[in-house]
Amino acid sequence: KAGVTQTPRYLIKTRGQQVTLSCSPISGHRSVSWYQQTPGQGLQFLFEYFSETQRNKGNFPGRFSGRQFSNSRSEMNVSTLELGDSALYLCASRSEGWSSDTGELFFGEGSRLTVL
Amino acid sequence: ILNVEQSPQSLHVQEGDSTNFTCSFPSSNFYALHWYRWETAKSPEALFVMTLNGDEKKKGRISATLNTKEGYSYLYIKGSQPEDSATYLCAFRDYKLSFGAGTTVTVRA
Repeated sequence: KAGVTQTPRYLIKTRGQQVTLSCSPISGHRSVSWYQQTPGQGLQFLFEYFSETQRNKGNFPGRFSGRQFSNSRSEMNVSTLELGDSALYLCASRSEGWSSDTGELFFGEGSRLTVL
Repeated sequence: ILNVEQSPQSLHVQEGDSTNFTCSFPSSNFYALHWYRWETAKSPEALFVMTLNGDEKKKGRISATLNTKEGYSYLYIKGSQPEDSATYLCAFRDYKLSFGAGTTVTVRA
């Protein structure tokens, strides 16, 4: 069974640009969540999607957005990039959805974004 | 604001020794407490998901306990091995999953 796949793995952007990251969950998983990790910080929750609907959103500015497609693949977009957006962005999927909040997460290897 | 706290931030353990560390979290609106192991250059992997007060889980030499009333969980590693070197993350779920900053364990041979 293939794991969670994130693309691209590494990318470099300049301030003001925008970026789109992609996440393909484990087959059959309908819940996808995104996290940001910066040095010295824990994993910060960005948002969670289930069946193409945003279920929860973390405390990030509106420049951070996401969506989920009918095949459960998800994308997140960051517009007007700032230096502070340099981070590892992790995607995770799980098999449960609306009725269960206790399932473990399966993480991808992350997309490392550097903003110059 | 990180309301999930892990201590210590890091620790060094001699091979063969046992160790433990703590995760503290809010005692209200509790759904579950997760533990993950994150090895360098890999993805975080789930160790345990705990939901009931008094839960005890075990996987090999690693075990965890949960106290939801006082808001803490302990992770224990018995007879540490070099392959146990990793960052151990706990995460508290209310309406979302909030992670602590982790405890980085280095096992010296």
